[in-house]
Amino acid sequence: AQKVTQAQTEISVVEKEDVTLDCVYETRDTTYYLFWYKQPPSGELVFLIRRNSFDEQNEISGRYSWNFQKSTSSFNFTITASQVVDSAVYFCALSDRGYQKVTFGTGTKLQVIP
Amino acid sequence: GAVVSQHPSRVICKSGTSVKIECRSLDFQATTMFWYRQFPKQSLMLMATSNEGSKATYEQGVEKDKFLINHASLTLSTLTVTSAHPEDSSFYICSASLQGVPKDIQYFGAGTRLSVL
Repeated sequence: AQKVTQAQTEISVVEKEDVTLDCVYETRDTTYYLFWYKQPPSGELVFLIRRNSFDEQNEISGRYSWNFQKSTSSFNFTITASQVVDSAVYFCALSDRGYQKVTFGTGTKLQVIP
Repeated sequence: GAVVSQHPSRVICKSGTSVKIECRSLDFQATTMFWYRQFPKQSLMLMATSNEGSKATYEQGVEKDKFLINHASLTLSTLTVTSAHPEDSSFYICSASLQGVPKDIQYFGAGTRLSVL
């Protein structure tokens, strides 16, 4: 069975601070994909990244960066110099070997205070 | 990019009525569509997977007679909540995957907030 744990339910930071959102996953598959999605107050899910289990290179996209560590089954997400527009719920997710289902974590609500 | 339109965005209905939610892929053909339910401050829970022209596959614990799914074309799937009750109040989100692309790459609609009085 797959499981995604986001232990941080809510985080508040002051604008321009860096913030890291934690994600720990469990799976028996050797081939899997990890995701991060952003859900702003409007409700739609915005895709941020998809990373396969064989690629442990860290990735940076603008102010966003992701740290994938297979040894600790973690896929953490860091926002550098946070902005008010970053305020949202962020979901980490995992897809199974057959890519048929996506299991979501419980989400971390990020509030960036001006 | 691929756009998924979900309608309506919000619906309020009386207990006992049925509500239909539409999910359309606007600029691509979606062989598979997914329906999720999200309770307040909780994660998305997959309800069912819908393939065009075939019966939907429901997740364990989801009543297929309660949540009717129809995927009649490659661009439209509908979820009908039959005889809705207050406990069905929730946020429903659909997603779609592209033909020839792994199904875990999904494009999400904006969601429908259902309130049953």
